[in-house]
Amino acid sequence: AAGVIQSPRHLIKEKRETATLKCYPIPRHDTVYWYQQGPGQDPQFLISFYEKMQSDKGSIPDRFSAQQFSDYHSELNMSSLELGDSALYFCASSWGTGANVLTFGAGSRLTVL
Amino acid sequence: GNSVTQMEGPVTLSEEAFLTINCTYTATGYPSLFWYVQYPGEGLQLLLKATKADDKGSNKGFEATYRKETTSFHLEKGSVQVSDSAVYFCALIMDSNYQLIWGAGTKLIIKP
Repeated sequence: AAGVIQSPRHLIKEKRETATLKCYPIPRHDTVYWYQQGPGQDPQFLISFYEKMQSDKGSIPDRFSAQQFSDYHSELNMSSLELGDSALYFCASSWGTGANVLTFGAGSRLTVL
Repeated sequence: GNSVTQMEGPVTLSEEAFLTINCTYTATGYPSLFWYVQYPGEGLQLLLKATKADDKGSNKGFEATYRKETTSFHLEKGSVQVSDSAVYFCALIMDSNYQLIWGAGTKLIIKP
């Protein structure tokens, strides 16, 4: 069965550079969620989109932005990268809003040097 | 704070054995509870879920019941197969703020 696809799986950047992570939800899922999990930490909710509109906002830094496109895939753009941005970024998708039907991707690991 | 504790692995069983993977949680409020599975080389997949007390989630022969009185969500299967070998993650999501808490994962190894 199709799952949530995230790319790239691994990304290495230097400080002050820009990175873009992509998330392709399960077909017919219209809601996408982004989470950030730092080393040894619980995942933190960043932002979510429903039907291409931002539906909720968590602890997403101002240096980050995200959007959902017409095919429902989402991109998380991170600028002026800092060492502390090194983390595992999870994307999840669901049909409709509500946190109780999420399916997660395998995550994208960002390392900032 | 909110937390999820699941039994440490690896858990090694023979085919057709009965499986229990324990999961307990601490939460202020009313979380939804999940079991996710990660097969070798693949991403996380939702296995089953329960959104309120006494709900039973089930899928692929696996079951888990949301027990509010014992704050538990133990995963069970009556007869495991070699293909069930994977890492199993218990998780909770607070519906109020989407806070997501993962357990550490339990590696399950099924021997023929």
